[in-house]
Amino acid sequence: GAGVSQSPSNKVTEKGKDVELRCDPISGHTALYWYRQSLGQGLEFLIYFQGNSAPDKSGLPSDRFSAERTGGSVSTLTIQRTQQEDSAVYLCASSPDRGLSGNTIYFGEGSWLTVV
Amino acid sequence: AQSVTQLDSQVPVFEEAPVELRCNYSSSVSVYLFWYVQYPNQGLQLLLKYLSGSTLVKGINGFEAEFNKSQTSFHLRKPSVHISDTAEYFCAVRQETSGSRLTFGEGTQLTVNP
Repeated sequence: GAGVSQSPSNKVTEKGKDVELRCDPISGHTALYWYRQSLGQGLEFLIYFQGNSAPDKSGLPSDRFSAERTGGSVSTLTIQRTQQEDSAVYLCASSPDRGLSGNTIYFGEGSWLTVV
Repeated sequence: AQSVTQLDSQVPVFEEAPVELRCNYSSSVSVYLFWYVQYPNQGLQLLLKYLSGSTLVKGINGFEAEFNKSQTSFHLRKPSVHISDTAEYFCAVRQETSGSRLTFGEGTQLTVNP
């Protein structure tokens, strides 16, 4: 597709279960980001992948959160032993990111996670 | 590190009135500035961005923003709003270095009333 694609769009899970959220970036975009948006809050940076460089994981809130990006394209965000405070919209974004940082970052529609 | 402050969490206005959504940033180096809009139950869409050159930037849907370096501000304006402009608006900043992250403000909910 032409845009950033995320799946699932909605996920309800029981507390303590693991979840995986998937992101397909725009073709050719070397940079990929994950953000979290909690109800009534701003966007919280989670992790940033840029080409073959080591990812910037400084935003991951705990060791229950991890992400990988296979083949420089698709990314999976994994949350282990989910807690109710993990309930949020998880937004993926991608960008060409050639050279300096003025490139537009394009966002997906988000994955709505509810932990019950 | 950079940070963004959106001074108003909620802005209610009447249709056809002008609106200004305020954004201030802090950074130790030069930055690029962005405004994104999020309509209900949708992802974020770029409204406009400032990279360099003219400090007045025009975006989609009749919005514009002015970069003021001395006041470290990037306020968003529209001279006449429509009901359809009701949405959450986010100001964001990136440092002018390769690989820097995009940092968002807390967002401003614009509600346009008839």
